[in-house]
Amino acid sequence: QQPVQSPQAVILREGEDAVINCSSSKALYSVHWYRQKHGEAPVFLMILLKGGEQKGHEKISASFNEKKQQSSLYLTASQLSYSGTYFCGTGYSGGGADGLTFGKGTHLIIQP
Amino acid sequence: DVKVTQSSRYLVKRTGEKVFLECVQDMDHENMFWYRQDPGLGLRLIYFSYDVKMKEKGDIPEGYSVSREKKERFSLILESASTNQTSMYLCASTLLGDNYGYTFGSGTRLTVV
Repeated sequence: QQPVQSPQAVILREGEDAVINCSSSKALYSVHWYRQKHGEAPVFLMILLKGGEQKGHEKISASFNEKKQQSSLYLTASQLSYSGTYFCGTGYSGGGADGLTFGKGTHLIIQP
Repeated sequence: DVKVTQSSRYLVKRTGEKVFLECVQDMDHENMFWYRQDPGLGLRLIYFSYDVKMKEKGDIPEGYSVSREKKERFSLILESASTNQTSMYLCASTLLGDNYGYTFGSGTRLTVV
């Protein structure tokens, strides 16, 4: 079953903050985050593992709440280049051999 | 940089044709995947492979098969193309292990008429 992403879409002004959520009905082992610009391939942003730490840097970071089976992606002081569709991909076992299950995506539009 | 190359960017095929989509990666990745991407549905896993000649069904394998004869190449086969297989097909690869993200190819937009 696909993880549920929210919101489906968000429009921001440059410099504003955004939070994108990803929820699973099954126990998670890992969560990946990707950004896809129109007409391009998805690009890997970061991975969070069960029992691991919050990842990222000052502007783009993510957290993993094991109890709630949720992950959140934080975009701080957004830039025009952050526009695109964000996907979370969820893994349910370790080792990396199984494929990820992706959410339906969150469309992020950053306006000047 | 890891490169994942899909042989065709755009493809138009007729209903009932056998279609081959090719994917090659150049960084010795063990894992390879085929996804299809449709508006409003996100990316859905068709098949994946963690080793040569190994293959596993994903969430939507019906109507598809795969071949992995060499480590660097993973082919998706539509045995008898149908209009509901019109989609963007994305290939991805990664190393085995927990800490590796996927590298995606640029995709093949397949239209079945």
